[in-house]
Amino acid sequence: DQQVKQNSPSLSVQEGRISILNCDYTNSMFDYFLWYKKYPAEGPTFLISISSIKDKNEDGRFTVFLNKSAKHLSLHIVPSQPGDSAVYFCATRYGQNFVFGPGTRLSVLP
Amino acid sequence: EAGVAQSPRYKIIEKRQSVAFWCNPISGHATLYWYQQILGQGPKLLIQFQNNGVVDDSQLPKDRFSAERLKGVDSTLKIQPAKLEDSAVYLCASSLGRAEQFFGPGTRLTVL
Repeated sequence: DQQVKQNSPSLSVQEGRISILNCDYTNSMFDYFLWYKKYPAEGPTFLISISSIKDKNEDGRFTVFLNKSAKHLSLHIVPSQPGDSAVYFCATRYGQNFVFGPGTRLSVLP
Repeated sequence: EAGVAQSPRYKIIEKRQSVAFWCNPISGHATLYWYQQILGQGPKLLIQFQNNGVVDDSQLPKDRFSAERLKGVDSTLKIQPAKLEDSAVYLCASSLGRAEQFFGPGTRLTVL
């Protein structure tokens, strides 16, 4: 029973264009959402987060949007760079627990 | 500031053998997590410590997995005996309370 879904296993984007990674969740009680980036042979690295009281959070090239009614969040990367090529995990916190999605592999093509 | 340290980085064992992983969290981080990440999936929480007490171990297969956190700092995760389906990357993470987690590089376990 996946509580956090990332329905696109992979995504390819041209350098300089926008990358949009999507995430859906099932439990309306989730109150905090995070995105992590993971390079091969490394642990996930925290990227950006958003609280359920907000609908947008921006940090440089990275913006996360939250649509609570649709139980959907997305990560926008503008402009995309080759160094952004990695696996991106959506995660949520519910109480003390963190639940991760299966990840989306982003490839930014030069 | 040093990150989360884990060892070993890689381990290959045969089924029914035992294995142990070690984690040293970021200094001052009270919360420590162990995750299992199977290929193609997201990390799945196995156990969470707050200082040296267990907060959540509901997804830890307690018949074969055990974990401890000595003096609220380092932690070890043990599997005894290992099964083929235990092949995965085992990630340790730490955090200050409920804030975002900082992950170590992980230990890749292969069970033959």
